[in-house]
Order: sequence, then structure tokens, then C-alpha cells
Amino acid sequence: GDSVTQKQGQVTLSEDDFLFINCTYSTTTYPTLLWYVQYLGQGPQLLLKVTTANNKGISRGFEATYDKGTTSFHLQKASVQESDSAVYFCALVPANSGTYQRFGTGTKLQVVP
Amino acid sequence: GALVYQYPRRTICKSGTSMRMECQAVGFQATSVAWYRQSPQKTFELIALSTVNSAIKYEQNFTQEKFPISHPNLSFSSMTVLNAYLEDRGLYLCGARDSGGAREQYFGPGTRLTVL
Repeated sequence: GDSVTQKQGQVTLSEDDFLFINCTYSTTTYPTLLWYVQYLGQGPQLLLKVTTANNKGISRGFEATYDKGTTSFHLQKASVQESDSAVYFCALVPANSGTYQRFGTGTKLQVVP
Repeated sequence: GALVYQYPRRTICKSGTSMRMECQAVGFQATSVAWYRQSPQKTFELIALSTVNSAIKYEQNFTQEKFPISHPNLSFSSMTVLNAYLEDRGLYLCGARDSGGAREQYFGPGTRLTVL
């Protein structure tokens, strides 16, 4: 079946550090891949999405490349700020219409000043 | 832009009672609405997927008898938690998908249910 794996439960960085959050997926379809960010006390917000293999999504300094070869969609940012502290979810939408999103277990990012 | 509102934001109910929560899509037509429960560990459990003009599909461990859902039009959905108990605590999220072809869901802020 379709699934998303995030190995890192929590990441702690200092401001201006490089961010890398691991995400791999499994599916038999041609999915859309997404990253959501959830700030404390809020619902998940779409951060970026990529619908085509080998394409890169970029938003607010974050980027992720849909790598069909390694079935990965890792999230990166060159320089994190304290305001980036949140939980980040990788998600997959299978190609079948009407099916819901599969979420990873989330990675909590804490950025200390 | 596409926005999703959820009411109430927080609610407290006594064990064995029921409570209803609402989800409103603004700025787009929500052809499908998914209800999730998010645990304190932040994992998402899909409760059910509701698509206009189709039957509501409940996931394993969730039933219509316990979580009845209404999706009467393209902007509104509601779900009731019947006979709530401690294990029903959590953040209930509504994720709505636009009819325009975009595959992602837009989420509301959630309804946090506390059961005493």
C-alpha cells in the first residue's frame, strides 16, 4: 500500500543552520508529494507540493525534490530561523482520484537562537 | 485564497456525552472532506473520507455509529462524536480538497476535544 516514512522524530538546530528532514515514500501510483508545516496550536498548512517526478518544489526558502529513483522527498532549507520551529509532515496523494493523503509521522523542528 | 474554518476550536464534554464539530470551506468548493484525529504524538488517524455524491468511507476502527458525518454541500461538513470517552480525546482536523483538480487538502485549525 501507499506509505510515507519520516525517520527523524525531532531535529534541534541553531539559527542559520542548514535543515535536512528525511522523507521516503512507497506507492505503486504516480503520486503528488507534499510537505505540510504545523505550528503550535494550528492545523497543518501546505508548505510545498510537487506533482511531477524529478521536479523541485520551493517555498519560503524551503525546497524538496521529488526523486523517483530513491523514492525520496527530503525537505531542505539553507538557513533556518527561530520562526521555523514547528512540526513538518511529509505527505503523499496517490494518483487514484478520491483517495486521501497519507502522512508521515512528522518531524518536530526546534530552532534555538 | 482557500480557507477552512472549524468550530468550535476547543470543547470539553463529560464522558458518555456527545459533541458536534463543524468544518466550513471558504473560497473553494470542497468536493471531498477528510476527518482526522491527531494524537498528542502528532500522528494522523483518518476517521472517514466524505465525497459529494458518494457514500462516506470510514476507516477501520471508526464507524458511522460512533462518528456520524454530514456533508450536505460543497462548503460544509460536520461530524459528531457520540458517547465520547477518554480515548476519543485529541485534535480533530478537517481536510478539504478543492474541486478544481488540485490534489492537496486544505486544513482547518482543528477542534480539540477534552473528555472528563
